[in-house]
Amino acid sequence: DAKTTQPPSMDCAEGRAANLPCNHSTISGNEYVYWYRQIHSQGPQYIIHGLKNNETNEMASLIITEDRKSSTLILPHATLRDTAVYYCIVRVETSGSRLTFGEGTQLTVNP
Amino acid sequence: GAVVSQHPSWVICKSGTSVKIECRSLDFQATTMFWYRQFPKQSLMLMATSNEGSKATYEQGVEKDKFLINHASLTLSTLTVTSAHPEDSSFYICSARDPTGIQALHFGNGTRLTVT
Repeated sequence: DAKTTQPPSMDCAEGRAANLPCNHSTISGNEYVYWYRQIHSQGPQYIIHGLKNNETNEMASLIITEDRKSSTLILPHATLRDTAVYYCIVRVETSGSRLTFGEGTQLTVNP
Repeated sequence: GAVVSQHPSWVICKSGTSVKIECRSLDFQATTMFWYRQFPKQSLMLMATSNEGSKATYEQGVEKDKFLINHASLTLSTLTVTSAHPEDSSFYICSARDPTGIQALHFGNGTRLTVT
């Protein structure tokens, strides 16, 4: 699975959009971009995933650059409950379903 | 949506004893489940892949005789930490893939193990 690079931490004001970047310059054509988050002392929670098109669901939007070497997770209106570690993971969807977690980004939403 | 239940959520045991952690998929069948371990301020580390009806596959450096995994049904996998020591104190998390869903892995809420 391709390696990803994320900033270790970010801050965001409550009610504003949180934009979390992820670099995956070695991504292969059949690898998907997945985002999970982990709130303190809980298990990770699936957020969204995509291959090359931008994706949106009730939690977030995923913007993937045209060359697929980077992506941005957007939380449109961050709340205090969005404070968590956000993990960007790149993998082939059928690679046994295993996920390899990097260090992620600690997002802190401030009141 | 799909739910993975993990039990217990926390456990304290004495050094030398064994502890069993259960992971259940509540509304889907999971032929494969995964066990992770997470130390404070660190990321999740995959320990092993649990396959229903067959032996688990362990990651390099994980002792299979210490961390016993059983996946006897399509909805239940168990991790037993045998002869636990204080260095085994950690946050253990299981996950399972819903084959009918959006190819996402669903995670339990973890088990906090403290060995005294």
